[in-house]
Amino acid sequence: LAKTTQPISMDSYEGQEVNITCSHNNIATNDYITWYQQFPSQGPRFIIQGYKTKVTNEVASLFIPADRKSSTLSLPRVSLSDTAVYYCLVETYGGATNKLIFGTGTLLAVQP
Amino acid sequence: NAGVTQTPKFQVLKTGQSMTLQCAQDMNHNSMYWYRQDPGMGLRLIYYSASEGTTDKGEVPNGYNVSRLNKREFSLRLESAAPSQTSVYFCASSEAGGGNTIYFGEGSWLTVV
Repeated sequence: LAKTTQPISMDSYEGQEVNITCSHNNIATNDYITWYQQFPSQGPRFIIQGYKTKVTNEVASLFIPADRKSSTLSLPRVSLSDTAVYYCLVETYGGATNKLIFGTGTLLAVQP
Repeated sequence: NAGVTQTPKFQVLKTGQSMTLQCAQDMNHNSMYWYRQDPGMGLRLIYYSASEGTTDKGEVPNGYNVSRLNKREFSLRLESAAPSQTSVYFCASSEAGGGNTIYFGEGSWLTVV
């Protein structure tokens, strides 16, 4: 499984765009990149998943460069309610193993 | 929709006591997981079950046992609780194979004194 590296924490203000980058230098051909969000006292929840280029949904965008050695989660116009921990996962789609390692994540603190 | 249900939500144990955390999912998922999360830390995988009848160790299995009772249920047992096991425990489930969305329960807060 590819190891991921994220910043431990980030600060932002309401209304700003936030970009959180995750490094995964040894990502394999069949690996997908998935991001989860965890609010205090809750379990993580799925945000977005991608393989290459750009993916966008109602919550966020995910940018993946051609070499796929990193990915950037983009949150447009954050609000106080976006304060959470964001986890980047790299996993082999359809792979036999389900040994999913979350790591420490990035704590995003949004201020008024 | 119930999703993933964990019980109990809160528990205080004395050192050396045993207990079982129960988890059930109603999404017909093949894979289930147990994670622990210490204050201010990320999630660490304790055990997982890729399918009914199979279990495998995760990152931090020592001091725990699991049982995949059937497709719906995956329990986590602490045979002799230690203060180091004070944590929040999350059960999760997903379709088999990597890349499928993981659904988490609401967590079980365990304190060992």
